[in-house]
Amino acid sequence: NAGVTQTPKFRILKIGQSMTLQCTQDMNHNYMYWYRQDPGMGLKLIYYSVGAGITDKGEVPNGYNVSRSTTEDFPLRLELAAPSQTSVYFCASSYGREAFFGQGTRLTVV
Amino acid sequence: DAKTTQPNSMESNEEEPVHLPCNHSTISGTDYIHWYRQLPSQGPEYVIHGLTSNVNNRMASLAIAEDRKSSTLILHRATLRDAAVYYCILNQLYSNSGYALNFGKGTSLLVTP
Repeated sequence: NAGVTQTPKFRILKIGQSMTLQCTQDMNHNYMYWYRQDPGMGLKLIYYSVGAGITDKGEVPNGYNVSRSTTEDFPLRLELAAPSQTSVYFCASSYGREAFFGQGTRLTVV
Repeated sequence: DAKTTQPNSMESNEEEPVHLPCNHSTISGTDYIHWYRQLPSQGPEYVIHGLTSNVNNRMASLAIAEDRKSSTLILHRATLRDAAVYYCILNQLYSNSGYALNFGKGTSLLVTP
C-alpha cells in the first residue's frame, strides 16, 4: 500500500514550457486534490475531483488543467509555465474525512 | 467561507503538554474541525478531527468548545519530532460539489529540549 505517489519530486522548467505532474493513489479514494504551497504560506487548492470524470476548480486554477479518467490517477498539467508557478505542489486523496498527502513536487520555473 | 484563526507560532519544552488553540467563530453546524500537521519538507499529515464531542487518538486530543466557536489540539507530551506547522481546518462543502480542506497559515510549533 503505497498511499499517494507523486512524480517527479523535483523539476526545473523554462518559462513557456509545459509539463504534467503525476499523482496516483492506491486506496480507492473518490476524492483527489491538487494544492500548491508557496514559501511560508499554507496550501492553496488548485483543482479537485470527487470521482472519475468529475473535476472542479479550486481557489487558484489559472494556468493549470486536470483530468480524472480513472479513480487512481489525477494528473496536473501546466501549460506555458510562468515564474509565478514556482512552488511546491501536493496531491492528496480522501474518502471524505481524513486526507492523505503525497510527498510533493518542488517546481522551479526560470 | 468560515475561516480559522491560529497563533503564528508557539513554543514548548520537550515532554510537556502543548495546547494549540484555534478560533472558528463562523463555523456552521455541519463543519467538521480537522487538524493536520506538516513536518519540514513533507506533505501534511492528518492528526485528528471532530464535530461536537472531544476526541482522542494515539497522536493527540481535540477539545471542542460547547458553542463550537473554538477548539484546542492537545499534545500530551511534546517530543522533538512534534515540531511542525499545525493547521486547524474546517472541512467544508466547496462550491456545492464536494468537500475540500481550506488551509490557513497554521501555527509553527517549536519544541526545545
